Parts: sequence; structure tokens; C-alpha cells
Amino acid sequence: DIVMTQSPDSLAVSLGERATINCKSSQSLSYSSNYKNYLAWYQQKPGQPPKLLIYWASARESGVPDRFSGGGSGTDFTLTISSLQAEDVAVYYCQQYYNTPRTFGQGTKVEIK
Amino acid sequence: EVQLVESGGGLVQPGRSLRLSCAASGFKFDDYAMHWVRQAPGKGLEWVALITWDSNNIEYADSVKGRFTISRDNAKNSLYLQMNSLRPEDTALYYCARDFDSRGLYYFDYWGQGTLVTVSS
Repeated sequence: DIVMTQSPDSLAVSLGERATINCKSSQSLSYSSNYKNYLAWYQQKPGQPPKLLIYWASARESGVPDRFSGGGSGTDFTLTISSLQAEDVAVYYCQQYYNTPRTFGQGTKVEIK
Repeated sequence: EVQLVESGGGLVQPGRSLRLSCAASGFKFDDYAMHWVRQAPGKGLEWVALITWDSNNIEYADSVKGRFTISRDNAKNSLYLQMNSLRPEDTALYYCARDFDSRGLYYFDYWGQGTLVTVSS
């Protein structure tokens, strides 16, 4: 199974400041046939289901604010919130869809400092 | 509007069975693979099972293999999870989620609100 490891487990950021979450996979998530990275990011607010933010490591889902961006390739990925807003308080998960079983990172809790 | 509505959760004793349902609307159900994902109280997300649009490919997490069965009825726009031999560690909020693709190869673009399963004596 591919192990997904996020860091940090939690972070507190001031409103308007940048938040960066890291995600590392135990094997490459990039297929040589198409060079795509099979990595998604989800946001889960308290009491709500997860919501898709980013797919293919860097493609933003429709309707997601452009302050959210994804980057990285191979085994190392990042989710960046360029200017943290109050409504961004949530737990963020990375997930690989390179193969099954689909696996998620343990989650990173983002709070306001 | 895409909607996924889970039902069937509840309190059940260890060793007993439960069947979850997920009613889909707002999209052509048989164009998409579907998944079940669970979340234990206060914990992270765990993928449980996948079924392709035509039910020809089904896969399970090792933790539920041999005990859980995923199925779908495209005529009823419904997804199911039959859970047998339940254990306390199966206690979780169970979500159904839509795959972006019919073959189940991609990310989960829509999620339901979940149904809570509690396994306890």
C-alpha cells in the first residue's frame, strides 16, 4: 500500500498569511505514460464531508478560490493557501489515486493564530 | 445538482450485520464508479470499497475484505454496502463518494453527508 504522510499535523496561521501543507508518498504517484501525478487534496470543515479542492496535484476544482494552489510531483507535494481566510479553518487531506487501496494522509488541521 | 444521500446506519452489536444505502441524484449514475469511505470518530479518512459503473470491477480494503460487499443498482440510482460480522473497529461515519470516472481510476469529486455506524454491545 502507498503510505501518505502529511506535515505538519496542525498549524496556526494569522489571517491573510500563507499556509503550506506538505504531503509525501511512499512511492511515486506519477505515471510515465502521461506524466500526471495522481494526487488530490480535500478540505473537511467541522461536521461536513470532505470537499475536493485540487486534483492531478495542481488542478483546482471548479469554484475553489484561487488562493488555494497545489504543487509538487513524484513523491513530494504541497497545498498552499496564499492568504488565509477565516472560512479556511478545516482539516486538509491529501489522497493518492495511483492505485488501490486508495490512501489518505493523516490530515492537517489549519487554525487561525 | 449532484446529491448523494446515505442511509441505513445505526447501533449494532458485534458480529451482526447492517446494510447501508446511498441514493444518487442529479447525474447519470451509471456513468460513474462509486466508493465507500469511512471516518472513525475524531480520526482520518479510510477508503473502504470501489465499484465500477458496470459492477465488473470491485475492490476492497484489506480491513473489510470477506466481510463487506459493495453493490449497485443502476436502475434505482443506488449504491449499497452490506456489512457482515461487524466489529467495534468498524464504528465510523460512512460516506459514499463519486469517482470522476466510470472505471474508478480517479479522485472523488462528490461526497454524501455520511451515515453513522456504531458497533457496540
